Amino acid sequence: GAGVSQSPSNKVTEKGKDVELRCDPISGHTALYWYRQRLGQGLEFLIYFQGNSAPDKSGLPSDRFSAERTGESVSTLTIQRTQQEDSAVYLCASSFVEARGTQYFGPGTRLLVL
Amino acid sequence: DQQVKQNSPSLSVQEGRISILNCDYTNSMFDYFLWYKKYPAEGPTFLISISSIKDKNEDGRFTVFLNKSAKHLSLHIVPSQPGDSAVYFCAARAGRGTYKYIFGTGTRLKVLA
Repeated sequence: GAGVSQSPSNKVTEKGKDVELRCDPISGHTALYWYRQRLGQGLEFLIYFQGNSAPDKSGLPSDRFSAERTGESVSTLTIQRTQQEDSAVYLCASSFVEARGTQYFGPGTRLLVL
Repeated sequence: DQQVKQNSPSLSVQEGRISILNCDYTNSMFDYFLWYKKYPAEGPTFLISISSIKDKNEDGRFTVFLNKSAKHLSLHIVPSQPGDSAVYFCAARAGRGTYKYIFGTGTRLKVLA
């Protein structure tokens, strides 16, 4: 398919373990975003990548969270030493720079930390 | 500090009638606004947008109104259809030159057949 894909779709982990979430953006999209949606809440900005520019990490909630992107392709969001409050749906989106604001979202990864 | 607020968590509307979803924001630097629709187990999909230099944008059954002085925008859906039942998020761009968007908490719309 040509859309944004994310894996895994669901992840259950134990408190204290590390998890890695993956996002495959739409080919050619230079901008990539990660958001978190906790139960009953809105989308919370985490980080965005734009081409070769330095990423905007201002939304990462703690130093346990990190993200990488290789060029304009795959991105991974890593959460170290997971806590129960990390349980949420993690959404990835990508966009062309020129298509102002039109982000294409993946289906999300539902993370449950026990 | 919720900069984009959707104060109605849910809304029910009869099929064929108008649905009005509201959104308030606090920062006058926000310059571009969008509405997204989200079905369960799917990511949000873009619906309609409006620049801060306009006060209205229309696309088929969907119209977005922006009142900058009140820092308020609304999405009108007319006529509402059962397939419109979803969660609607408004989002605001944090300012010219940034790609950071602030999302509201969403309003769940249910269109009754």
